[in-house]
Amino acid sequence: AQSVSQHNHHVILSEAASLELGCNYSYGGTVNLFWYVQYPGQHLQLLLKYFSGDPLVKGIKGFEAEFIKSKFSFNLRKPSVQWSDTAEYFCAVNDRNSGNTPLVFGKGTRLSVIA
Amino acid sequence: GAVVSQHPSWVICKSGTSVKIECRSLDFQATTMFWYRQFPKQSLMLMATSNEGSKATYEQGVEKDKFLINHASLTLSTLTVTSAHPEDSSFYICSAREGGGSQNSPLHFGNGTRLTVT
Repeated sequence: AQSVSQHNHHVILSEAASLELGCNYSYGGTVNLFWYVQYPGQHLQLLLKYFSGDPLVKGIKGFEAEFIKSKFSFNLRKPSVQWSDTAEYFCAVNDRNSGNTPLVFGKGTRLSVIA
Repeated sequence: GAVVSQHPSWVICKSGTSVKIECRSLDFQATTMFWYRQFPKQSLMLMATSNEGSKATYEQGVEKDKFLINHASLTLSTLTVTSAHPEDSSFYICSAREGGGSQNSPLHFGNGTRLTVT
């Protein structure tokens, strides 16, 4: 079975600081990887996804993530955070070769950006 | 873009009553929808996979008689929490994949329903 581990429960950063949120997954097969964001009071939104190809993927709002297969990792990065990035971030994975399968989520990381 | 509408967004009910949560795909058809549950400070946990026109598939540990799922059309799935108890208080989220369910199609999430059972 797949599992996803997000190392940080709560991250507090000042504006303009750089961000890196860790995500490791456990699964022996081929996976699709996702980062979702949930802003306060809103629904989950897709930030970026990795299916295949270039392991460095760029998403919306200046976010990027790098898939390192040897480390089973898919860390999320942003060079300079803004107050509006305050949200909960979820890493998720599913099996690429199965049918219409659901996502398995990490526990989420709450990011608080302070002025 | 594709939108998943979930209703109600929050509900308070008394212990022993039943609550129905609706999940609609607004501009696409979804043969499969997923129901998740999120406890405070925890991850989204898959409860069940809802299949249009057939029985839902429940994850281990989820009581199918307590969490009734009906997926009567290609745009609507409902989750009914029967005889709710305070421990059922949680955040329930549905999701659906557009594009005919291809694994590479994006998964869209509803806004979630916060259930509080008193």
